[in-house]
Amino acid sequence: AQSVTQPDIHITVSEGASLELRCNYSYGATPYLFWYVQSPGQGLQLLLKYFSGDTLVQGIKGFEAEFKRSQSSFNLRKPSVHWSDAAEYFCAVLNDYKLSFGAGTTVTVRA
Amino acid sequence: DSGVTQTPKHLITATGQRVTLRCSPRSGDLSVYWYQQSLDQGLQFLIQYYNGEERAKGNILERFSAQQFPDLHSELNLSSLELGDSALYFCASSVAVNEQFFGPGTRLTVL
Repeated sequence: AQSVTQPDIHITVSEGASLELRCNYSYGATPYLFWYVQSPGQGLQLLLKYFSGDTLVQGIKGFEAEFKRSQSSFNLRKPSVHWSDAAEYFCAVLNDYKLSFGAGTTVTVRA
Repeated sequence: DSGVTQTPKHLITATGQRVTLRCSPRSGDLSVYWYQQSLDQGLQFLIQYYNGEERAKGNILERFSAQQFPDLHSELNLSSLELGDSALYFCASSVAVNEQFFGPGTRLTVL
């Protein structure tokens, strides 16, 4: 079965600094990949998705992700973090009809 | 706001009890998915319904069951509750299998 791994449990970043969250997937063919964000006490919001085509995907809230087949990665990036980006971020892969999520990365933003 | 609604927001009950969680999908979405988010298991897919029919099953316990009604809302029934069932239960809906929109979740606490 397809799966994703998020190596970083917790990342702390200064406001205005860049952010990169790692995600590695395991699958033979081209996977359907997603990044979701969960703010405290909230549900999951889709940031962006990759199915095929351009390997650099733009999402909402200024986020982007790059699909790299050679590295089996789909890392999420943001050039300049805002305090409101403090949240938990989940990478996910579509596995038949269901999403399989990574363990999540908690992002703390310091002033 | 994703357009997916879930009730109740919070539920506190005792071991051995039975509860029902309700989900109303986005207008026009035929698929409903249920996920469980717990500290030890992370985000896990439970079950999917499409237009009233069960389509996929994940790590759903036999004590749990779900259904989707003709008006497309769905209910997740949890019975003989145990302490370990305490979790956040999310419902998601989609019109296309590759993009799921999540509700705010129901937080279940079993005492």
